[in-house]
Amino acid sequence: EIVLTQSPGTLSLSPGDRATLSCRASQSVSSSYLAWYQQKPGQAPRLFIYGASTRATGIPDRFSGSGSGTDFTLTISRLEPEDFTVYYCQLYGTFFGQGTKLEIK
Amino acid sequence: QVQLQESGPGLVKPSQTLSLTCTVSGGSITTGSYYWNWVRQPAGKGLEWIGRIHTSGSTNYNPSLKSRVTISVDTSKNQFSLRLSSVTAGDTAVYYCARLQGGFYYFGYWGQGTLVTVSS
Repeated sequence: EIVLTQSPGTLSLSPGDRATLSCRASQSVSSSYLAWYQQKPGQAPRLFIYGASTRATGIPDRFSGSGSGTDFTLTISRLEPEDFTVYYCQLYGTFFGQGTKLEIK
Repeated sequence: QVQLQESGPGLVKPSQTLSLTCTVSGGSITTGSYYWNWVRQPAGKGLEWIGRIHTSGSTNYNPSLKSRVTISVDTSKNQFSLRLSSVTAGDTAVYYCARLQGGFYYFGYWGQGTLVTVSS
C-alpha cells in the first residue's frame, strides 16, 4: 500500500502570497497518476491538477503542479481569497493524502 | 456535461446494509474509458476511496473494506450502486460517487455527495 503524506497540515498565508503544498509518496510513483483536488466546505472535491502538472479545464494559471518520484508540489503563485480552503493529493484513483488546509493569516 | 447524483437512505441502523445508487446523466455509463467509483468522507476528515467498477464488470475495492463492499452497475438505467454490509457508527460519512478517467486515473466528475448516518 502506498501512503501519501501532505505537508503542512495547515498553511497560514495572506492574499497575494505564494503557497507551496507538498505531497510525498511512501515509494516512487509515476507522475502520470498524481492529481490534486480543491475542496470547499459542503462541496465535493474539484479536480485541479492531473498528471502531476496538467491543469484541469477552467483552472487559473496561478495554480501549477510539479514533481516526480516521491515528491510532488502544488504551487499557488499569488493567493486569491477564494483559494483558502483544503487541498488533497491523490494517486492511482485510489490513495488520498490527508489534506492541507490553507487558511488566511 | 456529465452529472452524477447519489441517492439512498440517509439513516441506516447498525449491523444493517447501506445501499446507495449513483445515477449518471449527460452521457452513457458504457461510453469511454471510465471507472465508476465510490469515495467517502467522515465529517471533518479526509477522503477515503471505497471501490470502483468498470462497465466490463471488473471491480476493485479498498482492502480495508473489501469484505463488506459490493459495487454493481446497471447499464440499462445508467446507474451504479454501492452496498456496504454490517455497518457501524464508523461508517457515518458523506458518500460521493465519482467518475475516474482511465489512463491518468483522476476523478474528473463527482456527485454532490449524500450524508449517511449509522445510528439506531
